[in-house]
Amino acid sequence: AQKVTQAQTEISVVEKEDVTLDCVYETRDTTYYLFWYKQPPSGELVFLIRRNSFDEQNEISGRYSWNFQKSTSSFNFTITASQVVDSAVYFCALSSPGETSGSRLTFGEGTQLTVNP
Amino acid sequence: GAVVSQHPSWVICKSGTSVKIECRSLDFQATTMFWYRQFPKQSLMLMATSNEGSKATYEQGVEKDKFLINHASLTLSTLTVTSAHPEDSSFYICSATDTSYEQYFGPGTRLTVT
Repeated sequence: AQKVTQAQTEISVVEKEDVTLDCVYETRDTTYYLFWYKQPPSGELVFLIRRNSFDEQNEISGRYSWNFQKSTSSFNFTITASQVVDSAVYFCALSSPGETSGSRLTFGEGTQLTVNP
Repeated sequence: GAVVSQHPSWVICKSGTSVKIECRSLDFQATTMFWYRQFPKQSLMLMATSNEGSKATYEQGVEKDKFLINHASLTLSTLTVTSAHPEDSSFYICSATDTSYEQYFGPGTRLTVT
């Protein structure tokens, strides 16, 4: 069984602060993918990143960066110099493409990030 | 990029009636479509997986007779909530995958049952 844990239910920061959203996952598969999605108040999921289990390189995209560590089964997401527009719910998710159901996703519980001006 | 649409974006219906939600892949053929349900301040919970031309696979605890899923073509899947009740009020999100297994999400449908 797969599981994704986002221990931080809510985080509140002041604009320009850096913030890290934690994600810990469990899987028995050796091949898997990890994702981060942003869900603004409109509800539509916005894809942020996908990493496969064989690529532990950290990634940076503008103010966003991701730290993937297989040794601790973690895939943390950092927003640098946060902005009010970053306020949203962020979901971490896991999939194993080898399953018969294709790219079935297991989502974490989500972290509500509020960035105050 | 791949686009998935949902219709309607929101719907209000009376208790006991049925409502149909459409999920379309606009620029690719979706071998598999997924239906999720999200209650306020909760995560997305997978309801069912459907492959074109075959019966949907429902997750444990999801009533297949209540949530009818039809995946009649490679670009269209429908979810019908039959005999809806207020507790079925939720945000329903579909996603679709092509042969690359990349998953693309629709914008969601907000259902309110009065």
